[in-house]
Amino acid sequence: GNSVTQMEGPVTLSEEAFLTINCTYTATGYPSLFWYVQYPGEGLQLLLKATKADDKGSNKGFEATYRKETTSFHLEKGSVQVSDSAVYFCALTVNTGNQFYFGTGTSLTVIP
Amino acid sequence: DAGITQSPRHKVTETGTPVTLRCHQTENHRYMYWYRQDPGHGLRLIHYSYGVKDTDKGEVSDGYSVSRSKTEDFLLTLESATSSQTSVYFCAISEEVSENTEAFFGQGTRLTVV
Repeated sequence: GNSVTQMEGPVTLSEEAFLTINCTYTATGYPSLFWYVQYPGEGLQLLLKATKADDKGSNKGFEATYRKETTSFHLEKGSVQVSDSAVYFCALTVNTGNQFYFGTGTSLTVIP
Repeated sequence: DAGITQSPRHKVTETGTPVTLRCHQTENHRYMYWYRQDPGHGLRLIHYSYGVKDTDKGEVSDGYSVSRSKTEDFLLTLESATSSQTSVYFCAISEEVSENTEAFFGQGTRLTVV
């Protein structure tokens, strides 16, 4: 089937620290991969995406590379800010499907 | 921002009462989804729709029904609310499901069943 597994949280980092949030997936078709972010009290919004192997999605200093050989799409940021505190969701769609599949979310808190 | 409105934003109801949540979109997107978000479970799909009067079940559909009589409206009904249905409910829309599209989310409805 189709599923996404992401690292358990919560994650607490100091400002300017390096961030990695792991995400791996299984898919029956050819997946497109997404990272969504949810700020407190809000709905999810797209952070970045990648649609084929070796593509790198990037936005707001965040990056993730579509690794087909390891079925992974890890989220990274070189220097986090307090404003990055949020819940991050890894997700996928498949070219033969009609829905999005989400991981359980990873809560990030950045402290000054 | 995508035009998605969920109503109500907050609701407290008693066990055994019916509850209907509404999702309204102004984007004319084909797909609409209802998710619930719970600690430790992330987002779980309840039902989705791929067109007017075309709906299908998600992974946690028991106790919920949906209707879509117009492109812009997708209703989620709890026929007889239970405490286990206390959650935050999100509506989402997408134009299609492909590499070229994304899901857009509403602001959420916080439902408490007492």
